[in-house]
Amino acid sequence: GAVVSQHPSRVICKSGTSVKIECRSLDFQATTMFWYRQFPKKSLMLMATSNEGSKATYEQGVEKDKFLINHASLTLSTLTVTSAHPEDSSFYICSARGTSGVLNEQFFGPGTRLTVL
Amino acid sequence: QKEVEQDPGPLSVPEGAIVSLNCTYSNSAFQYFMWYRQYSRKGPELLMYTYSSGNKEDGRFTAQVDKSSKYISLFIRDSQPSDSATYLCAMEGGKLIFGQGTELSVKP
Repeated sequence: GAVVSQHPSRVICKSGTSVKIECRSLDFQATTMFWYRQFPKKSLMLMATSNEGSKATYEQGVEKDKFLINHASLTLSTLTVTSAHPEDSSFYICSARGTSGVLNEQFFGPGTRLTVL
Repeated sequence: QKEVEQDPGPLSVPEGAIVSLNCTYSNSAFQYFMWYRQYSRKGPELLMYTYSSGNKEDGRFTAQVDKSSKYISLFIRDSQPSDSATYLCAMEGGKLIFGQGTELSVKP
């Protein structure tokens, strides 16, 4: 299956700083990438959808100025958490979708654990 | 009402047991139904998907969809300790809508 990587896998930062998380599709071109947030023992909540070369579409309630998403190439999307606060601590997961297959399956990255002190 | 409801468990079974995981949903427009498996601190991986109603079998796993009842199930036969994970149902409705996930533990 297709491989999606995320970097870093874990990050700890101080309150008020910004953190950038990278999501890469390693062996396919991802026309669309998704960013999810997951709290412990909770479901994945879609934060935003990004198409290569376009502005991201954010879900209701997600602050676009706080969670900056860039999808500059067909293999890379980045999520920047600006002025992070402890309530932003969470597990952030990206997924990437190509154009092949009936299902246009989303392939998920391994996630990034963000802890804001 | 949430679009997708799933019992979060946790569910603990002995090795070899048959496991039944279920989700209900409210949007009759959903056509694709998926089950993802997520190991601790990892991203979800697609286990099975079903289009519309019916059954689909893959080894020890069987997925069922009953659109009339808006109810989907995943059965695991001869469960193994390696099946211990969180299982999330998901439905495609322009975007993936996930259930809460059921934490499964299979004890040796």
